[in-house]
Amino acid sequence: AQSVTQLDSHVSVSEGTPVLLRCNYSSSYSPSLFWYVQHPNKGLQLLLKYTSAATLVKGINGFEAEFKKSETSFHLTKPSAHMSDAAEYFCVVSDSGIQFYFGTGTSLTVIP
Amino acid sequence: DSGVTQTPKHLITATGQRVTLRCSPRSGDLSVYWYQQSLDQGLQFLIQYYNGEERAKGNILERFSAQQFPDLHSELNLSSLELGDSALYFCASSIAGQNTGELFFGEGSRLTVL
Repeated sequence: AQSVTQLDSHVSVSEGTPVLLRCNYSSSYSPSLFWYVQHPNKGLQLLLKYTSAATLVKGINGFEAEFKKSETSFHLTKPSAHMSDAAEYFCVVSDSGIQFYFGTGTSLTVIP
Repeated sequence: DSGVTQTPKHLITATGQRVTLRCSPRSGDLSVYWYQQSLDQGLQFLIQYYNGEERAKGNILERFSAQQFPDLHSELNLSSLELGDSALYFCASSIAGQNTGELFFGEGSRLTVL
């Protein structure tokens, strides 16, 4: 069975400081993992995805995530937060691109 | 622009009424997913269609139904509407079946039930 746990429902950082959004997954198969971002009143946009290639995945807007199989984690990071990063972030796991399992989301606040 | 089109963007209606939300997937995508997002329930998976056939069901109420047509567009029908049905309804599409495929989301249809 597939599932995703986002360990923090809210994260608050100061502008210019690092961002860490944590995600743990459970999967019976070799999973595909995704991070999506949702700005207020907008649809979800793909930030990055892992599909069994390089374990360190680079995405848009300076975000990256590292797949750690031993820890079943796929944490999202960014070296320096920008005000425009304030949004809701969803970690997603998929078994063969057929069904997708969403985490409950992490709300990121960036303090000026 | 994700390539997924949802209409209408906003809809206001009364309790007891029925509405239809429409989704056109990205060109070439065979699978359509419907999600409901509300403040108290978060993002909830409703139903998935693949090439016209229902593939998976999530937390979809019996008052709700969906279908995918031969041209691959999909409609979500919500009937006997209640105040609690007020939410943002998202459609997403994917190629499906490819383990590298991701979901592409539309901008959503915001339903307000008064």
